[in-house]
Amino acid sequence: DAGVIQSPRHEVTEMGQEVTLRCKPISGHDYLFWYRQTMMRGLELLIYFNNNVPIDDSGMPEDRFSAKMPNASFSTLKIQPSEPRDSAVYFCASSIRGSNYGYTFGSGTRLTVV
Amino acid sequence: GENVEQHPSTLSVQEGDSAVIKCTYSDSASNYFPWYKQELGKRPQLIIDIRSNVGEKKDQRIAVTLNKTAKHFSLHITETQPEDSAVYFCAGGGTGFQKLVFGTGTRLLVSP
Repeated sequence: DAGVIQSPRHEVTEMGQEVTLRCKPISGHDYLFWYRQTMMRGLELLIYFNNNVPIDDSGMPEDRFSAKMPNASFSTLKIQPSEPRDSAVYFCASSIRGSNYGYTFGSGTRLTVV
Repeated sequence: GENVEQHPSTLSVQEGDSAVIKCTYSDSASNYFPWYKQELGKRPQLIIDIRSNVGEKKDQRIAVTLNKTAKHFSLHITETQPEDSAVYFCAGGGTGFQKLVFGTGTRLLVSP
């Protein structure tokens, strides 16, 4: 398996633009998580899904952020409109109930909003 | 909800010394405690984990201990090497690997 795949690896956009981050979890994993990492706030859980259903979105900072998981192999995190304070590394991770291996993280998307 | 505190924020040791990183958690229902290593510009990677029915776990130079009564757990690295230099994160969560809450990280620097 290729692991958790995220795209793009880097994204630079202007304030006010829409940004879409993408994630493909490991095949067979039934949990998918979106985290944001900044120097100030560390690793913050934004939202997680179980069997494609959002379970907890309490970490989503505001209405500008939305996430979907239309099927077991794809999820998106959208920011509209983007702001400079959204600049961070966004990680997607997946796991499977009963696994001995915990979360597997993707390589992350480094977002810069100018 | 769960709150995980981690210290120290930075730790400098000489090659060959031991390093200890400590974390505390708040939710007595948490029963899964992994540790992740993140090298600069890379993804966090799981290095060891422990469940609440176990007090200690070892994997070569790395060990983790858990004290459920005191709600704290620690990472121990022995015979440190320069390649151990990275940021280490602890985390706590419930069953099914749901909703891990991460500590703020410890930057470990191992000097030759």
